[in-house]
Amino acid sequence: KAGVTQTPRYLIKTRGQQVTLSCSPISGHRSVSWYQQTPGQGLQFLFEYFSETQRNKGNFPGRFSGRQFSNSRSEMNVSTLELGDSALYLCASSSRGGLETQYFGPGTRLLVL
Amino acid sequence: AQKVTQAQTEISVVEKEDVTLDCVYETRDTTYYLFWYKQPPSGELVFLIRRNSFDEQNEISGRYSWNFQKSTSSFNFTITASQVVDSAVYFCALNSRGYSTLTFGKGTMLLVSP
Repeated sequence: KAGVTQTPRYLIKTRGQQVTLSCSPISGHRSVSWYQQTPGQGLQFLFEYFSETQRNKGNFPGRFSGRQFSNSRSEMNVSTLELGDSALYLCASSSRGGLETQYFGPGTRLLVL
Repeated sequence: AQKVTQAQTEISVVEKEDVTLDCVYETRDTTYYLFWYKQPPSGELVFLIRRNSFDEQNEISGRYSWNFQKSTSSFNFTITASQVVDSAVYFCALNSRGYSTLTFGKGTMLLVSP
């Protein structure tokens, strides 16, 4: 089975812009979670989607949003980018979410200038 | 709240040495899972092992072994005869029933030199 894929792999944006990241889960997986990784805060949970519904949300401002499509692919959007949004954004998928093992993609490295 | 502590920020060893990475967790749930992930320089988190709160049986898989002790809330990871390819950041993570999300420790960077 193909693993989790994320596009793009690298992105450079300027403050105030918005960005959309994409994640394709492992075939058959219906749960997709997003995490932000920064040197200062480490790995932090953003949100989880299951069957096109946001099921769980971390402690991030409303500028961070996401959605999931009927084929389980997911996108996350960050509006009005700030310098502090520079990070590695990781997507993970699992069959049903909950306590299952999450398998991660290669991540998207976002640099905000 | 759930919390994971990896007290070791960085460990440096010489190839063929054994190395143990420590992980201490906190949760009020009785049902939870513990995980170890490896993050090489490429950035992808690679799943290594999962253990549930009802299974304290320790496990060995090749050069890797894990020691889960509920009495001390620890889930330590040992690499035997380390190799240069083991160089990476290792994360311990917790997922408990009340959260259904992964809470990660800060990670331990392992550097294995030839």
